[in-house]
Amino acid sequence: QKEVEQNSGPLSVPEGAIASLNCTYSDRGSQSFFWYRQYSGKSPELIMSIYSNGDKEDGRFTAQLNKASQYVSLLIRDSQPSDSATYLCAVRPNQAGTALIFGKGTTLSVSS
Amino acid sequence: SAVISQKPSRDICQRGTSLTIQCQVDSQVTMMFWYRQQPGQSLTLIATANQGSEATYESGFVIDKFPISRPNLTFSTLTVSNMSPEDSSIYLCSVVRGADEQFFGPGTRLTVL
Repeated sequence: QKEVEQNSGPLSVPEGAIASLNCTYSDRGSQSFFWYRQYSGKSPELIMSIYSNGDKEDGRFTAQLNKASQYVSLLIRDSQPSDSATYLCAVRPNQAGTALIFGKGTTLSVSS
Repeated sequence: SAVISQKPSRDICQRGTSLTIQCQVDSQVTMMFWYRQQPGQSLTLIATANQGSEATYESGFVIDKFPISRPNLTFSTLTVSNMSPEDSSIYLCSVVRGADEQFFGPGTRLTVL
């Protein structure tokens, strides 16, 4: 059973701080990794994808991947109250044409 | 990204009835999936909708309960049959665009009484 694990939170940070969200996965052959943001009552929105070991930056977001440790993280710098949402980690198993497997999500609350 | 629409956006249904959810994409896509998100939970894959052939169902989901059609590369339907309150969920259509990225429709919020 391929699994994606996340700490459900809630993770609370003050405005302007760095929020760090973590995710581990069980399928060592996985090649594609994604972070989605989901506001309450809305569908998931893709915010980051990462495929290679190391860091990938996009604005205030940095995704980090360590395949040896089977670990993916998302850093949100200068956190804003509008970042308050559930963040879903998703992994595509190492099979062509397969759907993403999602973690349970981490709820982030940014206080002003 | 992809422009994905779903109909209906929400519905309240009586137990024992069926509801068909439509998913329309703005351009052709090869990979299309249906997910379910139960209250307070993450996303669970129901099936892969295959164009021109039977859908591929995940463990715990069967065709009699969740029949899926995919007549072309821009459209799919998911039917929730013989509904019970346990079927109350958000149902999401999802497609793969570009190299590998997967996008979601706005979802259909189903309440079964």
